[in-house]
Amino acid sequence: DVKVTQSSRYLVKRTGEKVFLECVQDMDHENMFWYRQDPGLGLRLIYFSYDVKMKEKGDIPEGYSVSREKKERFSLILESASTNQTSMYLCASSLQSDIQYFGAGTRLSVL
Amino acid sequence: ILNVEQSPQSLHVQEGDSTNFTCSFPSSNFYALHWYRWETAKSPEALFVMTLNGDEKKKGRISATLNTKEGYSYLYIKGSQPEDSATYLCAFTRTSGSRLTFGEGTQLTVNP
Repeated sequence: DVKVTQSSRYLVKRTGEKVFLECVQDMDHENMFWYRQDPGLGLRLIYFSYDVKMKEKGDIPEGYSVSREKKERFSLILESASTNQTSMYLCASSLQSDIQYFGAGTRLSVL
Repeated sequence: ILNVEQSPQSLHVQEGDSTNFTCSFPSSNFYALHWYRWETAKSPEALFVMTLNGDEKKKGRISATLNTKEGYSYLYIKGSQPEDSATYLCAFTRTSGSRLTFGEGTQLTVNP
């Protein structure tokens, strides 16, 4: 079974802190994705990556950056957390077939 | 940004009822349409991926159809059970390996 693991289920951070959300997949997938989910807005794509050291902006990249130094790991970085970044963050990975396998999500609260 | 719309936003049914919901998407340059089920406190899981006009897929009591010419897909649940309670997401992609664009989801609650 594909496993996508997100490092934390719940996080509470202060405004202005630098926040790292980590995601690891164990199936050698090329593609990895970061989404956020907010009530009434569905899943919105923040950033994605097709290969190591490659990254592409999604629909809402502002305030975020990403890092993919190894194929299995894709990190989402909030350089200076703000209250409007309070959300559920989901990581996913896929092969070329496009089915995405999701992690359990990280619920981030920025106070 | 591609527009994927799902309706209804939420649905409450009684155990044993059959139900269906809709996903509409842009019909130009279509590649694939995905359905995912997202249960509370779990990860979204893929139900179906459909690529051809007229495709029908079935998994147990759940089935889906696809019309790429008019840009819609239906998801059907026959004889709903409380364990079917979840948010059902559809997502659209234009080319293989490219990003998915998700709809807002339909939240289904099945009352025992």
